[in-house]
Amino acid sequence: AQKITQTQPGMFVQEKEAVTLDCTYDTSDPSYGLFWYKQPSSGEMIFLIYQGSYDQQNATEGRYSLNFQKARKSANLVISASQLGDSAMYFCAMREGSVADKIIFGKGTRLHILP
Amino acid sequence: EAGVAQSPRYKIIEKRQSVAFWCNPISGHATLYWYQQILGQGPKLLIQFQNNGVVDDSQLPKDRFSAERLKGVDSTLKIQPAKLEDSAVYLCASSLVQGFWSYEQYFGPGTRLTVT
Repeated sequence: AQKITQTQPGMFVQEKEAVTLDCTYDTSDPSYGLFWYKQPSSGEMIFLIYQGSYDQQNATEGRYSLNFQKARKSANLVISASQLGDSAMYFCAMREGSVADKIIFGKGTRLHILP
Repeated sequence: EAGVAQSPRYKIIEKRQSVAFWCNPISGHATLYWYQQILGQGPKLLIQFQNNGVVDDSQLPKDRFSAERLKGVDSTLKIQPAKLEDSAVYLCASSLVQGFWSYEQYFGPGTRLTVT
């Protein structure tokens, strides 16, 4: 079974609009962490935001926020006021367990920002 | 602060040939990861080192892939012999260790391998 599911292969959004990228996860481990990474066409993976399973508040980093709904096992990324430079692949990832901190990535969502 | 360095950036080889990739992590980062990213997919962990010990290599095809991290710093990933399905981007990442957990991983630019 897939551990990380990103159901939107691609999205088109008008510049300056907010966008939500969906991510659901599956784990029975009470201790886990959720990440979002951005991968521009140049190929490097850029860390955006992290949410721990015990964190009480949703994580925010500048224009990025993580809408963490634990009961629904959902960790959606919200980008406010989108910019042309936000066009990229976005990956949701999860780390579970407290020993070998292996990170499992979803298949990604390709975001296109339209001028 | 210098980022994660990888070389070469691009490599084209024929099937059954061998190839090696090099990674230099961020100074002080104890944990080093090698990922394989096939076009259109998310990265898949091949091997994880903590210092110079292997933490996880469960998804490394050990009949053809090998990796080492001498002295707990630089690392090399080798494929011998290469198959067509090894065509992918090979990403190296590093992270600090904080207790049992390390937080964000810092990725290198990747090596794009094409096997013909």
